[in-house]
Amino acid sequence: EAGVAQSPRYKIIEKRQSVAFWCNPISGHATLYWYQQILGQGPKLLIQFQNNGVVDDSQLPKDRFSAERLKGVDSTLKIQPAKLEDSAVYLCASSLTVGETQYFGPGTRLLVL
Amino acid sequence: EDKVVQSPLSLVVHEGDTVTLNCSYEVTNFRSLLWYKQEKKAPTFLFMLTSSGIEKKSGRLSSILDKKELSSILNITATQTGDSAIYLCAVMDSNYQLIWGAGTKLIIKP
Repeated sequence: EAGVAQSPRYKIIEKRQSVAFWCNPISGHATLYWYQQILGQGPKLLIQFQNNGVVDDSQLPKDRFSAERLKGVDSTLKIQPAKLEDSAVYLCASSLTVGETQYFGPGTRLLVL
Repeated sequence: EDKVVQSPLSLVVHEGDTVTLNCSYEVTNFRSLLWYKQEKKAPTFLFMLTSSGIEKKSGRLSSILDKKELSSILNITATQTGDSAIYLCAVMDSNYQLIWGAGTKLIIKP
């Protein structure tokens, strides 16, 4: 069974630029999560989808971050404009449904200069 | 505010040693506690502990949940260099949200 796929694996941009990350969850998983993990900290949930609906986006900085999961499968997370403090690893995870074990993708390491 | 605290923050041991990692929590509506191993970037699932399953074991790894003390330990026996990683603890609340600890960085020296 294929795992969670993410791209790109690394991205370096300058502040005020925009960037987008892509995630393809495990087939059949209804719930998809985007996390931000800053060095030395645990993952912080940015947004959670159940199929193509948003369950929780309370910690998403909506002035600069946006995410969508239009067809209930793939998802994209965008940052526009990026700030220095957005430098982090962005992890995508999926689970069969809410409350089930979350499986993580390889992550995207973002560096904002 | 709900929180999960892991200790120690980092640990260096020699191959063959036994290590114990700690996780304590203050979560209003506890549902379960999970342990993940994070090498490079992606966390991989190790164990889920609940009120009905307070002890789990897989090979050299084992974990116990103490609901009275609001804590859990992760034991690794006969450590190997491949055990070097960050070990993350997370607590799931009644809304199925995960509250994460900052992790313990474990380094195994040959």
